[in-house]
Amino acid sequence: QKEVEQDPGPLSVPEGAIVSLNCTYSNSAFQYFMWYRQYSRKGPELLMYTYSSGNKEDGRFTAQVDKSSKYISLFIRDSQPSDSATYLCAMSWRDDKIIFGKGTRLHILP
Amino acid sequence: DAGVTQSPTHLIKTRGQQVTLRCSPKSGHDTVSWYQQALGQGPQFIFQYYEEEERQRGNFPDRFSGHQFPNYSSELNVNALLLGDSALYLCASSLSGTMVNTEAFFGQGTRLTVV
Repeated sequence: QKEVEQDPGPLSVPEGAIVSLNCTYSNSAFQYFMWYRQYSRKGPELLMYTYSSGNKEDGRFTAQVDKSSKYISLFIRDSQPSDSATYLCAMSWRDDKIIFGKGTRLHILP
Repeated sequence: DAGVTQSPTHLIKTRGQQVTLRCSPKSGHDTVSWYQQALGQGPQFIFQYYEEEERQRGNFPDRFSGHQFPNYSSELNVNALLLGDSALYLCASSLSGTMVNTEAFFGQGTRLTVV
């Protein structure tokens, strides 16, 4: 079993829809949970991070962590064509290496 | 602030050759990590440098080596290149003592193609 599982997609949704992106993980030691956005031919850009369980909101983005289920989610409200990118979930333990998911390719259709 | 800069942006090498990739961290950052991202995959941790020492290492062979200089910039060296080494190589910088990985900034990457 991989440490982090993420559906690669692609996921296509109409503009304005709510997008739900998810990852599962197997290592219960993870404490930091992150979401990165990566545009084509660019490096990953940190969107949000959460420490331990709970929710975090930043504008149109909401990150949720359920440590009991080893499940994390990213919700994007009022999706825009500019949100089209690959979204990578990532996790780590203290200052340990970051473990990334494969990334989900998201297309927002105008 | 220039952010994390990597050079070169693209590189084509032949199997068996050696390659050196370079990274300048974001101003004020002292820790550099290197990742390999194969096509369609997430980045995989290669190693991390702090105070000119390799602090931790991922599951990569010894053909992958690195260096950090007193100005915190870093190099990634790969010897005896294989076709499977073709990937986007990403450098991430952060500041030790902070939540290192949650405040890591990535460069644009170097795309290495081995033919």
